[in-house]
Amino acid sequence: DQQVKQNSPSLSVQEGRISILNCDYTNSMFDYFLWYKKYPAEGPTFLISISSIKDKNEDGRFTVFLNKSAKHLSLHIVPSQPGDSAVYFCAATQNYGGATNKLIFGTGTLLAVQP
Amino acid sequence: ETGVTQSPTHLIKTRGQQVTLRCSSQSGHNTVSWYQQALGQGPQFIFQYYREEENGRGNFPPRFSGLQFPNYSSELNVNALELDDSALYLCASSLGLPANGYTFGSGTRLTVV
Repeated sequence: DQQVKQNSPSLSVQEGRISILNCDYTNSMFDYFLWYKKYPAEGPTFLISISSIKDKNEDGRFTVFLNKSAKHLSLHIVPSQPGDSAVYFCAATQNYGGATNKLIFGTGTLLAVQP
Repeated sequence: ETGVTQSPTHLIKTRGQQVTLRCSSQSGHNTVSWYQQALGQGPQFIFQYYREEENGRGNFPPRFSGLQFPNYSSELNVNALELDDSALYLCASSLGLPANGYTFGSGTRLTVV
């Protein structure tokens, strides 16, 4: 049962343009959503998170939007740079108040930013 | 501030053998989680340790076990290795607050032949 889905395995964008990565989820009990970037031979690197009580969070070039009614979130990267080329994972977690906050990951989207 | 370090980086084992993977958490982080990432998939939660106790477990059999030490470092042990155990094993440390993210190590690539 895939609770977090990234339906686009890959995305190609021109440098300077906007990259939009999408993620859908099925569990309405998730209360935090996170985006990670992963380069080959490295572990995932945390980018940005959003609480389920918000609909937008911004950090520099990265903005995450959350649409709870559609159970959908997206990561916008503006402007895109060649160094952004990596696999992007969407993840969700449910806060048990200090107990396990396991991350449930999507399958990832490979972003290629063309110079 | 040091990040999460894992050892070894690569490992080849034979089916039926046992393996131990190690993880040093980021300074100040008291929670360690282990994930398995198969090729083409997202990381899957194995288990989490908090103050030396297992604090949650994913859908993995008992032959996957772990330890956390007083300095918050951790080990993942897998007994009776199977071919399907071949994967990248990732360790993540945190202070328990999801908003701050989890810091991942670079992983151990395990190949079972």
